[in-house]
Amino acid sequence: GAVVSQHPSRVICKSGTSVKIECRSLDFQATTMFWYRQFPKKSLMLMATSNEGSKATYEQGVEKDKFLINHASLTLSTLTVTSAHPEDSSFYICSAEAGGETQYFGPGTRLLVL
Amino acid sequence: QKEVEQNSGPLSVPEGAIASLNCTYSDRGSQSFFWYRQYSGKSPELIMFIYSNGDKEDGRFTAQLNKASQYVSLLIRDSQPSDSATYLCAVKARGGATNKLIFGTGTLLAVQP
Repeated sequence: GAVVSQHPSRVICKSGTSVKIECRSLDFQATTMFWYRQFPKKSLMLMATSNEGSKATYEQGVEKDKFLINHASLTLSTLTVTSAHPEDSSFYICSAEAGGETQYFGPGTRLLVL
Repeated sequence: QKEVEQNSGPLSVPEGAIASLNCTYSDRGSQSFFWYRQYSGKSPELIMFIYSNGDKEDGRFTAQLNKASQYVSLLIRDSQPSDSATYLCAVKARGGATNKLIFGTGTLLAVQP
């Protein structure tokens, strides 16, 4: 099956610093990747859609200058949380679309901002 | 009206029973439907997808789609305690420049040993 990895799996940082999360499709090429955020006991929330070689499409209410997305290759997308604050602490999950239809999720990155 | 609706549960079934999970969607033109399982603290994993009306079976899982009634269901036969998780129904958004999925809030399934 399609495998998606994320790195790091867990990160703790100080308020005001930036954190980069990588999402890789390991055994397929993904022209489209998605970034989600999930708070405890809440639903998945789509943050943005990342297309290789073009600008990401952000969902309403998501600050594009705070959550920088780069999709430089068909197997790698990165999400950078800039000037992180405690309220940004969450579970960040990426997914990659295989075959133009099915999304496969990475294992997620748990971010804690102190 | 929410775009994808699921009963939040918890749905409690005894081990060995059939668990039935339901989902309704609002966009009549939706074409692709997905079921994901999410264990607590983990990311979602794909169980099945279905595009055509009727049933689709994969092992202990059967997805059912009725486009006229705008509902999708997932049946889990011979439920096991390891099936205890939140089950997410997702519908691919139609139109626009993206292929995003619209997720329901999920149904928590608890299989009692």
